[in-house]
Amino acid sequence: GAGVSQTPSNKVTEKGKYVELRCDPISGHTALYWYRQSLGQGPEFLIYFQGTGAADDSGLPNDRFFAVRPEGSVSTLKIQRTERGDSAMYLCASSSTPVARRTDTQYFGPGTRLTVL
Amino acid sequence: AQSVTQLGSHVSVSEGALVLLRCNYSSSVPPYLFWYVQYPNQGLQLLLKYTTGATLVKGINGFEAEFKKSETSFHLTKPSAHMSDAAEYFCAVSGPGGYQKVTFGTGTKLQVIP
Repeated sequence: GAGVSQTPSNKVTEKGKYVELRCDPISGHTALYWYRQSLGQGPEFLIYFQGTGAADDSGLPNDRFFAVRPEGSVSTLKIQRTERGDSAMYLCASSSTPVARRTDTQYFGPGTRLTVL
Repeated sequence: AQSVTQLGSHVSVSEGALVLLRCNYSSSVPPYLFWYVQYPNQGLQLLLKYTTGATLVKGINGFEAEFKKSETSFHLTKPSAHMSDAAEYFCAVSGPGGYQKVTFGTGTKLQVIP
């Protein structure tokens, strides 16, 4: 079946602009995660959704970052007033269990590469 | 707090040689440990994971890892490298709580020399 998809694959924007990054999880997966991967680094946790609600948003770096998942499927990561330091690969992952556990396998999408000029 | 240290940002091996990628962890709770592989322009793919039970874990593509609590290590090995193994490998530990908030290492790029 289809895996996790993310759009766009690449996004170039100017400093100060607003961007939206989209994640389509595997159908039926209730848990959804966003990560940010800077060059030469491992992915860093941003936010976790269980269903429609953000169960843990402790990784969001500041209030310019926001994410939604209004129908419990597709999620959008929104970044306001982008800064050059926001340039990174943004990864989305999903997992299947109704209550996500430490042992769950996360399935990752190919990512969106964001470049802020 | 959870953390992972991967020793060596770049590792080169000859085709057919042993692959050894090192990972040490720190965890405030019994660790659940993972190895992921990332091919260029692709997302991360799970190679293997340790939760409980047998400390030697076998994964996909001939990889395995051994959990050593006394050494706080979870090194990844493969007896014979293939050209297709060239990729970036990430060790990760999942945090406390009822869900998988994962902390990743900085990654090791594996180069396989023909």
